Amino acid sequence: DVVLTQTPVSLLISLGGQASISCRSSQSLVHSNGNTYLHWYLQKPGQSPQLLIYQVSNRFSGIPDRFSGSGSGTDFTLKISRVEPEDLGVYYCLQRTHNPYTFGAGTKLELK
Amino acid sequence: QVQLQQSGAELVKPGSSVKMSCKASGYTFTSYYIYWIKQRPGQGLEWIGRIGPGSGDTNYNEKFKGKATFTVDKSSSTAYMQLSSLTPEDTAVYYCARDGYTPLGYVMDAWGQGASVTVSS
Repeated sequence: DVVLTQTPVSLLISLGGQASISCRSSQSLVHSNGNTYLHWYLQKPGQSPQLLIYQVSNRFSGIPDRFSGSGSGTDFTLKISRVEPEDLGVYYCLQRTHNPYTFGAGTKLELK
Repeated sequence: QVQLQQSGAELVKPGSSVKMSCKASGYTFTSYYIYWIKQRPGQGLEWIGRIGPGSGDTNYNEKFKGKATFTVDKSSSTAYMQLSSLTPEDTAVYYCARDGYTPLGYVMDAWGQGASVTVSS
């Protein structure tokens, strides 16, 4: 199975600050069709995960442009600028290129 | 709007089975795959598999073959997951999620609220 390694495990950020989360894959996430199926989710406390970014860099409907995704191959990054209180929770990367689909272990974003 | 309503919490004994439901509304149930995901207490997420409600086609993570069984009832727009031979390792919150369409491909875009299963004697 593809292993996704997220770093850091936790982040302490001040309101208005910037956060950066890394997701590294044990294999290239480029599908045979040329697409890269790497997505980002946020799980707020007590809630279900919600989709933020799909296919590396595409913001899902309603997601503010403070969230941005980048990367290629095996290295991916989620950046959150101007952190707001509603951004707190655990961020997960998910790969859907290889079967079985796998998630990273999560990065917890907390306020400093 | 798209909604997935899951069944309530279950407390079950080791060795037994449990069947949980995921009722869809706000879209055409048969047009989108339903995924099932496991989250153990304080831990990350694990993909169990998926079912196509229109075709009944299923795909299971090898790890969950023999453990999980997916079914649907098209008449009520409800997907089900049965877990068998339960052990304490099956204690978790289980989510269903819809595989929604975007111009670039499919994504799990709507999730149920989760169903808690506790396996204990």
